Amino acid sequence: GNSVTQMEGPVTLSEEAFLTINCTYTATGYPSLFWYVQYPGEGLQLLLKATKADDKGSNKGFEATYRKETTSFHLEKGSVQVSDSAVYFCALSEAETSYDKVIFGPGTSLSVIP
Amino acid sequence: GAGVSQSPRYKVAKRGQDVALRCDPISGHVSLFWYQQALGQGPEFLTYFQNEAQLDKSGLPSDRFFAERPEGSVSTLKIQRTQQEDSAVYLCASSYRSSAGLTEAFFGQGTRLTVV
Repeated sequence: GNSVTQMEGPVTLSEEAFLTINCTYTATGYPSLFWYVQYPGEGLQLLLKATKADDKGSNKGFEATYRKETTSFHLEKGSVQVSDSAVYFCALSEAETSYDKVIFGPGTSLSVIP
Repeated sequence: GAGVSQSPRYKVAKRGQDVALRCDPISGHVSLFWYQQALGQGPEFLTYFQNEAQLDKSGLPSDRFFAERPEGSVSTLKIQRTQQEDSAVYLCASSYRSSAGLTEAFFGQGTRLTVV
């Protein structure tokens, strides 16, 4: 079945450090790919998405590129801030359903220290 | 409302008790999803509604779990005879499909259920 794997956390970085959170997926067809973020005490929010191969999603300084050849969608940010501390979930939307059933990875907790 | 609203935010239930969790989706959103998020894990799909029709309930873990959306708006997830393994955050999401075929799911803050 479809699944998402992402690097285990927690990840702790100093402010202004470079961030990479690896994500790989297994899926039939051509899923859409997402990164969701969950800030402390808040609900899940869509951070960025890509719907086809080689698409780059970007938002709030975060980027991820849909790589079909490596089945990956790694999240990157050039300079993290304390306010980026959150749990990040890589996810895919199953291509074989018509209603965007989303499969989530286990999440990666990020802590950014001043 | 402005977003997806879930109630209660927190629920403590004694083992064996029945619980009902409510979700108010964004007005006009046709699609509604329920997910279960265990501590330290990603959300896992439970069930999907398109308007009032429950089109996919493949993720419901047992027949103690039941969901409904009778008028195609508010949805209720009911868990009968709760067990400790039911302790989790239950998330509701609603989405729409734009004319361009693009969708985005909006999540509520969830209901944290603790079974003691």
